[in-house]
Amino acid sequence: EAGVAQSPRYKIIEKRQSVAFWCNPISGHATLYWYQQILGQGPKLLIQFQNNGVVDDSQLPKDRFSAERLKGVDSTLKIQPAKLEDSAVYLCASTTGLGNEQFFGPGTRLTVL
Amino acid sequence: AQSVTQLGSHVSVSEGALVLLRCNYSSSVPPYLFWYVQYPNQGLQLLLKYTTGATLVKGINGFEAEFKKSETSFHLTKPSAHMSDAAEYFCAVISSGSARQLTFGSGTQLTVLP
Repeated sequence: EAGVAQSPRYKIIEKRQSVAFWCNPISGHATLYWYQQILGQGPKLLIQFQNNGVVDDSQLPKDRFSAERLKGVDSTLKIQPAKLEDSAVYLCASTTGLGNEQFFGPGTRLTVL
Repeated sequence: AQSVTQLGSHVSVSEGALVLLRCNYSSSVPPYLFWYVQYPNQGLQLLLKYTTGATLVKGINGFEAEFKKSETSFHLTKPSAHMSDAAEYFCAVISSGSARQLTFGSGTQLTVLP
């Protein structure tokens, strides 16, 4: 069974530029999460989708971050414009249902210069 | 609100020695508890989880953890460390709200010395 796929794996941008990350969850997984993991910290939830609807985006900085999950499968996370403090690893995870084991992708490491 | 505290951001053990990584949680309701491992440049992999039932939980790679409600702890142990165990370990608790979200601790970096 294929795991959670993410791309790109690495991205370096200048501050104030835009960037987008892509996630393809495990087939059949209805719930999808985006996490931000700053160096030396645990992952912090940004947004949670159930199928193509948002369950919780209370920790998403909506002035610069946006996310969508069209057709309830793939998802994209966008940052516009990026700030230095956005440098982190962005992890995508999926699960069959709320409270079940989450399967994580390898992450996208973003460096903002 | 749920929270997790991992004592010790860095732990070093010798190969063959006991591994003990500490995790304490706060929860107003019975929690679901997890340990994840993260190898360099990889995502998180589930080691083990406690939901209900037996309080001693066995996971992959010889790890186990014991849920102690009276101590609000869920420490991770392995009798004999292997070089391949070197990684970052995260304890996590699942929220009691309808969204059932994971809250992670800040992680413990495990170094295994030859």
